[in-house]
Amino acid sequence: EDKVVQSPLSLVVHEGDTVTLNCSYEVTNFRSLLWYKQEKKAPTFLFMLTSSGIEKKSGRLSSILDKKELFSILNITATQTGDSAVYLCAAFGSARQLTFGSGTQLTVLP
Amino acid sequence: DTEVTQTPKHLVMGMTNKKSLKCEQHMGHRAMYWYKQKAKKPPELMFVYSYEKLSINESVPSRFSPECPNSSLLNLHLHALQPEDSALYLCASSPSRQAFNEKLFFGSGTQLSVL
Repeated sequence: EDKVVQSPLSLVVHEGDTVTLNCSYEVTNFRSLLWYKQEKKAPTFLFMLTSSGIEKKSGRLSSILDKKELFSILNITATQTGDSAVYLCAAFGSARQLTFGSGTQLTVLP
Repeated sequence: DTEVTQTPKHLVMGMTNKKSLKCEQHMGHRAMYWYKQKAKKPPELMFVYSYEKLSINESVPSRFSPECPNSSLLNLHLHALQPEDSALYLCASSPSRQAFNEKLFFGSGTQLSVL
């Protein structure tokens, strides 16, 4: 059975801190890994990673995939209160559907 | 802003009621999905429609009945629900189900409470 595990489950930081969110996966015929941000309702897309070792970047957010060790990290630098959200990691495999992790609840305090 | 529109945003229903959730997208996507998300849990896949045909039903009870009238619309008909069915119901779409490099676009969800 496909499995995605995220850590930590929750994290509280202060504005300006840098955070690293972790995602490990066990997925048959892994093809891609996606990160989503869920603030209230709709998960919004952040990154899709398919190749190992290539960093994707968008502003203060970046993510990288390690296909050998079966994990991905999401980094957020200079955090802001608007970064407070649940960050979901999901992996796509041979079942041709996304398997989601439980998410990391990030709270950024002013 | 999400390009997948869900209505209603909130729904309260009794266990004997019949209601429907609606989802619409105009991105030309040919795959549409229903997910159920309980508080502090990840989204769980319920149904997938590909080219307007049901391709995945994840052992969902028959009190949930999906319908895809056309490529832009997806409905979820609800009947005789239980209080444990209270959750956020998310609709999503993607260009197709064929490629692994396609992201899902999610709607804002319908927060359902069953009394």
